[in-house]
Amino acid sequence: KAGVTQTPRYLIKTRGQQVTLSCSPISGHRSVSWYQQTPGQGLQFLFEYFSETQRNKGNFPGRFSGRQFSNSRSEMNVSTLELGDSALYLCASSSEGGADTQYFGPGTRLTVL
Amino acid sequence: SQELEQSPQSLIVQEGKNLTINCTSSKTLYGLYWYKQKYGEGLIFLMMLQKGGEEKSHEKITAKLDEKKQQSSLHITASQPSHAGIYLCGADYNTDKLIFGTGTRLQVFP
Repeated sequence: KAGVTQTPRYLIKTRGQQVTLSCSPISGHRSVSWYQQTPGQGLQFLFEYFSETQRNKGNFPGRFSGRQFSNSRSEMNVSTLELGDSALYLCASSSEGGADTQYFGPGTRLTVL
Repeated sequence: SQELEQSPQSLIVQEGKNLTINCTSSKTLYGLYWYKQKYGEGLIFLMMLQKGGEEKSHEKITAKLDEKKQQSSLHITASQPSHAGIYLCGADYNTDKLIFGTGTRLQVFP
């Protein structure tokens, strides 16, 4: 089975712009979770989508949003980018979601200038 | 997260030496996951330990969950350069998401 894929792998944006990241889960997995990883805050949970519905959300501002399509692929959008949004964004897929075993993609490295 | 503390933060060992990484929770653990991350890449699932206390091994890595102490340890025997990376523990607090520790950076030198 193919693993979790994320595109693009690297992205450079300027403050105020918006960005969309994509995640394709392992075939058959219905849950996709998104995380932000920074040196200062570590790995922080953004949100989880399961069967096209947001099932859980972390403590991030409304500028961070996501969606999931009927084929389980998910996108994450960040609007009005700030310097502090520079991070590695990881998505993880699992069969049942929640705290079920998650399999991570390689991440998208976002740099905001 | 302060709910989950990993120690040490950083570890440098000589190839062939044994080492232990700890993950301590301030709340009741319903499950505990161990992942390994190469710098700037995704996390690789190592093993999952169930509530109630459990021990699992895979190749030269053994992980235990001590329910009394709410603590998990990851032990690597005869370390190799391929073991280098960041080890993260993830806690299941029965909240339908995982909370991750801050990670332990392991370097193995020849």
